[in-house]
Amino acid sequence: GAGVSQTPSNKVTEKGKYVELRCDPISGHTALYWYRQSLGQGPEFLIYFQGTGAADDSGLPNDRFFAVRPEGSVSTLKIQRTERGDSAVYLCASQALVDTGELFFGEGSRLTVL
Amino acid sequence: KQEVTQIPAALSVPEGENLVLNCSFTDSAIYNLQWFRQDPGKGLTSLLLIQSSQREQTSGRLNASLDKSSGRSTLYIAASQPGDSATYLCAVLSGNQFYFGTGTSLTVIP
Repeated sequence: GAGVSQTPSNKVTEKGKYVELRCDPISGHTALYWYRQSLGQGPEFLIYFQGTGAADDSGLPNDRFFAVRPEGSVSTLKIQRTERGDSAVYLCASQALVDTGELFFGEGSRLTVL
Repeated sequence: KQEVTQIPAALSVPEGENLVLNCSFTDSAIYNLQWFRQDPGKGLTSLLLIQSSQREQTSGRLNASLDKSSGRSTLYIAASQPGDSATYLCAVLSGNQFYFGTGTSLTVIP
């Protein structure tokens, strides 16, 4: 596609529920990143994919968070047993060339946990 | 761990003024540095990318410099316009991730 696409743009859920956030990167981009941004803060790293594999998942806050990228394109961030503290904007970005490539972000998915 | 700091946190200038935004980072072992713009409720828009071997990049009224050894970058905006009002974020690629500052919120007053 022309840009990074994220769905849904907004998600409101209740505490304890399961949510999935989807990211469709720019076609041909091998690197994909998930970040989380709270109000007034810079984006915080969650996970980085190189192709289908998670090259670095050190930013995932706990085992309720999981992400997949089964075919090396679309990625899904999965959050189990959501908590109010999970409320944030979840940003996805893709990069054509590792280390040297420009990073392109989607519009984000705003998650609100009631 | 890489830490990125942006100063000032907020800046308000009259239209037409030239301005400089600052970004500093603690670990000089970076692959590149990228400046972004973020409008309220939106994602990040890439402005300029500087590779670690480069000293500066220019795009229109924007000029970004990089001094890797001192851990500093500046974003220069010439002849500011009200449409430049946004939050500006810098990010450095170090290891497997981009590290972000908390941004500078810029308001350009007509």
